[in-house]
Amino acid sequence: GQNIDQPTEMTATEGAIVQINCTYQTSGFNGLFWYQQHAGEAPTFLSYNVLDGLEEKGRFSSFLSRSKGYSYLLLKELQMKDSASYLCAVRDGSGNTGKLIFGQGTTLQVKP
Amino acid sequence: TAGITQAPTSQILAAGRSMTLRCTQDMRHNAMYWYRQDLGLGLRLIHYSNTAGTTGKGEVPDGYSVSRANTDDFPLTLASAVPSQTSVYFCASSAGTSANEQFFGPGTRLTVL
Repeated sequence: GQNIDQPTEMTATEGAIVQINCTYQTSGFNGLFWYQQHAGEAPTFLSYNVLDGLEEKGRFSSFLSRSKGYSYLLLKELQMKDSASYLCAVRDGSGNTGKLIFGQGTTLQVKP
Repeated sequence: TAGITQAPTSQILAAGRSMTLRCTQDMRHNAMYWYRQDLGLGLRLIHYSNTAGTTGKGEVPDGYSVSRANTDDFPLTLASAVPSQTSVYFCASSAGTSANEQFFGPGTRLTVL
């Protein structure tokens, strides 16, 4: 079956670092994605990992371990505007499709 | 640049009625997708299209149909709405099936009473 797990909620302090974990069990794998979604808005793309290791993009980094079925999103120097839901998604590796399987999302609240 | 547009923004629909949610993109993307987002369940794929003229079923296709007559448009039709189809519907597109980013439309909030 297809299963993607991430914590439902997290709270962190402005200026701090937070790590959002995601574990997955899927029948196929062709990349792992992180999206950010502010309340009432559409998801927006943050990062993509297909090989093991760390991808850094400004204050955001994403890590992947395919053998462990594990990824994390690291947010540094947290700002109030980072309060949002963070969605982990795996691209289905079966067949030539771009289908994404999403976790239920992690709602991050950044406090002053 | 419009990107992806969806219409309507929101709708209240009586159970048993039919409705088409519209989605248009101006990025000439080959692949398009329809998701529904429900509290506690995340985004779930309803139908997808790898290229104009082709469609496929996602995780939750029952009660929905799609068509892809051209590259830009990907309408989603509910033939006979039921209350369990109350949700926020997002359309998305990507340059291709191996593209690293899907772009999402602003969403349609549908309530079926």
